[in-house]
Amino acid sequence: RKEVEQDPGPFNVPEGATVAFNCTYSNSASQSFFWYRQDCRKEPKLLMSVYSSGNEDGRFTAQLNRASQYISLLIRDSKLSDSATYLCVVNFLYGNKLVFGAGTILRVKS
Amino acid sequence: DAGVIQSPRHEVTEMGQEVTLRCKPISGHDYLFWYRQTMMRGLELLIYFNNNVPIDDSGMPEDRFSAKMPNASFSTLKIQPSEPRDSAVYFCASGKAGVADTQYFGPGTRLTVL
Repeated sequence: RKEVEQDPGPFNVPEGATVAFNCTYSNSASQSFFWYRQDCRKEPKLLMSVYSSGNEDGRFTAQLNRASQYISLLIRDSKLSDSATYLCVVNFLYGNKLVFGAGTILRVKS
Repeated sequence: DAGVIQSPRHEVTEMGQEVTLRCKPISGHDYLFWYRQTMMRGLELLIYFNNNVPIDDSGMPEDRFSAKMPNASFSTLKIQPSEPRDSAVYFCASGKAGVADTQYFGPGTRLTVL
């Protein structure tokens, strides 16, 4: 079983749609959780951290369910510029080592 | 402020040649990470350093790969000899302890081994 699993997609959605991505992780001792965004042929960049109580940043909402070892990202009112690969990322407690999921591809079309 | 700097941005070499990738982390960051990204395997951590000391090199694929960090502002990843299966994008990232584990990635080096 992979340490961090994501649906690879692609998710093809029209502008203005709401889309949700899910991610599961295998290590119950994981302490920190993130969503990174990676544009085509670019480096990954931090989109947002994920907190236990859930958190929102504009059109983006992240949720964490520790019991189910499940993380989600919700994007409302999708924009063309949201088209990218979204990487689910988990810190497995020791040091600063992050484990990246394979990513979910989002394509927003006009 | 400058972000993470990597060089070269692109490298094309022939099988058997030595390849050296370079990274300058963000000033003040005490963690440095080397990753490799391929379509098949995604983003894999190769090795990371804390205060210039290698902490975990379990992701280094084999003895052909080596990494050094002689000082806080410079690191190298060397492949000798290179093989076609080493073709990938190699990212360097840096981070600061105690700042929610956030890592800042460089633009990457796209390596092609013919």
